[in-house]
Amino acid sequence: QQQVKQSPQSLIVQKGGISIINCAYENTAFDYFPWYQQFPGKGPALLIAIRPDVSEKKEGRFTISFNKSAKQFSLHIMDSQPGDSATYFCAASLQGGSEKLVFGKGTKLTVNP
Amino acid sequence: DTGVSQDPRHKITKRGQNVTFRCDPISEHNRLYWYRQTLGQGPEFLTYFQNEAQLEKSRLLSDRFSAERPKGSFSTLEIQRTEQGDSAMYLCASRGQGANEQFFGPGTRLTVL
Repeated sequence: QQQVKQSPQSLIVQKGGISIINCAYENTAFDYFPWYQQFPGKGPALLIAIRPDVSEKKEGRFTISFNKSAKQFSLHIMDSQPGDSATYFCAASLQGGSEKLVFGKGTKLTVNP
Repeated sequence: DTGVSQDPRHKITKRGQNVTFRCDPISEHNRLYWYRQTLGQGPEFLTYFQNEAQLEKSRLLSDRFSAERPKGSFSTLEIQRTEQGDSAMYLCASRGQGANEQFFGPGTRLTVL
């Protein structure tokens, strides 16, 4: 049973375009939602994260939109650059306890020059 | 401020051998996690330490796997009698007290022949 579903599996955009990656979760007790960026052969790097008490968070070219009623959240990358080409993972965790992360399966983003 | 470090970065072993990986978390981070990532998938939680106490283990962590964090600083993950299915990237992450963010190391790539 996959608790966090991520789509699309792969995404190709042109330089300067907007990249949008979507995630849906099942457990309504999740209350922390980070996005990670991973380059081949490297560990995941934290990009941006959101708590469910806000509907949007922006950091530079990266924006998270959060829809609590729909149990969905998305990552928008504005003005996408070739250097953004990587695999992106959404994740979720519960506050309290271990707060382990439950990850989606990832989206491979390719930004063409 | 150094990040999470892992050693070795790559390990090739023959089936049936034992292997041990080390993780050094960010200093003063009292929470430490191990995850496993197979090709094309997101990381999956294996185990969690708060200081030296191992507080949670995933059902993915079979009896052949053992993890320690003897002094609440670095951690080791040992796999006994390795199997080909153990081939994966083993990731370590750490988190500070009172913080949400988990920071990942570069991972150890294990190949079992």
